[in-house]
Amino acid sequence: GQSLEQPSEVTAVEGAIVQINCTYQTSGFYGLSWYQQHDGGAPTFLSYNALDGLEETGRFSSFLSRSDSYGYLLLQELQMKDSASYFCASNQAGTALIFGKGTTLSVSS
Amino acid sequence: DTAVSQTPKYLVTQMGNDKSIKCEQNLGHDTMYWYKQDSKKFLKIMFSYNNKELIINETVPNRFSPKSPDKAHLNLHINSLELGDSAVYFCASSPGTGSNNEQFFGPGTRLTVL
Repeated sequence: GQSLEQPSEVTAVEGAIVQINCTYQTSGFYGLSWYQQHDGGAPTFLSYNALDGLEETGRFSSFLSRSDSYGYLLLQELQMKDSASYFCASNQAGTALIFGKGTTLSVSS
Repeated sequence: DTAVSQTPKYLVTQMGNDKSIKCEQNLGHDTMYWYKQDSKKFLKIMFSYNNKELIINETVPNRFSPKSPDKAHLNLHINSLELGDSAVYFCASSPGTGSNNEQFFGPGTRLTVL
C-alpha cells in the first residue's frame, strides 16, 4: 500500500531548531511536499522536493533522499506562531496528494 | 479576493439526510479535489477532477457524488448521511500536472451528523 510515516508530536522552545522526518512507501512517486495547518485552518503549502537535496525557503528548509525514501522539514528560529500540524505528502502520478498523518508541533516560550 | 471558497463553513444535520457542499476557485486552475479530514486530522483524497473530468475516485461510498459544472466549480453531494461522515471536507485546486503541484485549499466545511 501507500504510506507516509512521520512522528505524531514534537515539542520545542522558541528560537530552537526542529526537524520533522518523513519516510514513505508509495508507487508513482513524483516528489515530496510539506503542508502546514493551524488549528481550525486549512492546509497551506510550504515546500516541495522533486529532486534529492535541500530546498530552502526562509526559516524553513526541506530535504529529500529518493534512494532512502526519506525526507524532512527543518524549521529554524522557531516562533510561537509555528505551533501547528505539519504534513508530508507524496505527489502521485495523476496529481493527487497522499498525506502522512501529520506531526503536531508545539512551541513554548 | 478568496482563491478557493467553500460553502457552507459549518453543516449540522441528521442521519439519513442529503446535503451538498459547494466549492469555487478563481485561480484559473485546471484541477480540483475533495479531501476528507477525520477527527484524528488524517487527510485523505476523495476525488480529483481535471477540466470537469473525473480522474481520481478513491474508495468512497457511492453516497458521495461530486459534480463539476465547469472547471471553476466542484460540488460534493452526500446522500443518506451517516454518523461516520462527520469530518472536515476540504476542497482544493492546483494548476494540474506541473512542477510542484502546489495545492490551494479552501477553508473547509465542518460536517456534523447527529
